[in-house]
Amino acid sequence: AQSVTQLDSQVPVFEEAPVELRCNYSSSVSVYLFWYVQYPNQGLQLLLKYLSGSTLVKGINGFEAEFNKSQTSFHLRKPSVHISDTAEYFCAGGRTGANNLFFGTGTRLTVIP
Amino acid sequence: ETGVTQTPRHLVMGMTNKKSLKCEQHLGHNAMYWYKQSAKKPLELMFVYSLEERVENNSVPSRFSPECPNSSHLFLHLHTLQPEDSALYLCASSQDPGGADLAKNIQYFGAGTRLSVL
Repeated sequence: AQSVTQLDSQVPVFEEAPVELRCNYSSSVSVYLFWYVQYPNQGLQLLLKYLSGSTLVKGINGFEAEFNKSQTSFHLRKPSVHISDTAEYFCAGGRTGANNLFFGTGTRLTVIP
Repeated sequence: ETGVTQTPRHLVMGMTNKKSLKCEQHLGHNAMYWYKQSAKKPLELMFVYSLEERVENNSVPSRFSPECPNSSHLFLHLHTLQPEDSALYLCASSQDPGGADLAKNIQYFGAGTRLSVL
C-alpha cells in the first residue's frame, strides 16, 4: 500500500543550526514526492517537489531534499535555520494515474533563538 | 497568495445548523479537492472533483455534501455535524490529476476554514 511516514513529530533546533526532517515512503510503482510547509493559521505551501531526474531537489527558503530510492527516503534539509522556519512540515507522495496524494502526519519544526 | 481562496476562514456552528464552505481557484485548474486536517492525524482526503465530476469520495459521512458547479468553484455543505467534525478544512486544486505529466498533478492549497462544532 502507498504510504508516507514522517518519523519525528517534533524537532526543536537552535537558530542557525542545520536541520533534517525525515520522510520515508513505501510504494511498488513510480512515485513523486513533495514537501509542504504550513505556517500557523495558514494552508499548505509547496516547498519543493521530486518528479524525476536529479535526486537532489532544491526548494524555496533554502531547503533541499534528496530522493533516495534504495532507502525509500526523501529527507528535507536546511544548513542553517531561521526563526521564521518555525512551522509544520508535511511530506507527501503521489503515484502516476492516481487522483490523490498521501500525506505524512507532519513534523513540527521549532527554531529556538 | 496561492491562487486558491477559501471562505470563511473561521466558522463556529451548532450541531443543528446548516452552513457551507466555499473554495475558489484562480489558476485555471481542472481538479479540486477537499481535505480534513485534524490534530495529530494525517490529512484526510474527502472528495475529488475533476472537470466538475466527482471522481473520489473517501467514505465521508453524508452530513458533508460537496458541490462543484464549475471548475473554479467548490463548496462543502454541512448539516447536523458532530463535535468530532471540528477541524481545519482545506481546499486544493491541480491542473490535471492522475495524468502522465507529473508537474500537472501538483496540488495548491488554500488557507483553510477552521471549523468548530459546538
